[in-house]
Amino acid sequence: AQKITQTQPGMFVQEKEAVTLDCTYDTSDPSYGLFWYKQPSSGEMIFLIYQGSYDQQNATEGRYSLNFQKARKSANLVISASQLGDSAMYFCAMSLQAAGNKLTFGGGTRVLVKP
Amino acid sequence: EPEVTQTPSHQVTQMGQEVILRCVPISNHLYFYWYRQILGQKVEFLVSFYNNEISEKSEIFDDQFSVERPDGSNFTLKIRSTKLEDSAMYFCASSTGFGANVLTFGAGSRLTVL
Repeated sequence: AQKITQTQPGMFVQEKEAVTLDCTYDTSDPSYGLFWYKQPSSGEMIFLIYQGSYDQQNATEGRYSLNFQKARKSANLVISASQLGDSAMYFCAMSLQAAGNKLTFGGGTRVLVKP
Repeated sequence: EPEVTQTPSHQVTQMGQEVILRCVPISNHLYFYWYRQILGQKVEFLVSFYNNEISEKSEIFDDQFSVERPDGSNFTLKIRSTKLEDSAMYFCASSTGFGANVLTFGAGSRLTVL
């Protein structure tokens, strides 16, 4: 079974600064995917970034980058140049190819960007 | 940009009543999912659906729950006899099933059981 852990329940970040959200995972399956989703106060789940277990390079999508450290089983999200609109709940999630690709979510980290 | 649409956005019901939550997945997606999020808790997998049948379900998805794709476009979640603990946000999602298999989520349906 897979497990996702987000140890930071909440974080403040100053506008225009970078913030790192921690995510560790546990699986013995060699083939998996790691995802980050954003959930603003309106409630929808917005896909941000994906990292495959066999990907050699860290994923980047605009201001989002994923610091993938396979040996440590961590997949931290870095948001650069924070904006007020980045205030939201952020969820790390994992899917296993052997488990039908369903997502297992971490508990989430709430980010509040201060002006 | 294609999106997953869910209705209703909010439903209030009495305990013991049947509820149907509706979803229209992205048209070329092949895999469909329901997740739920109890207020303040993590998002939990309920069920996945592929090729007109359930491919996987969680322990939460007991006999009170059912899913259906009645007409090739809608994907529904039925709760037969709602309980107080069914109060949650229910998310529908769909994916192609290929490559990164990114799930696209709908905006959610908030269910309140009184």
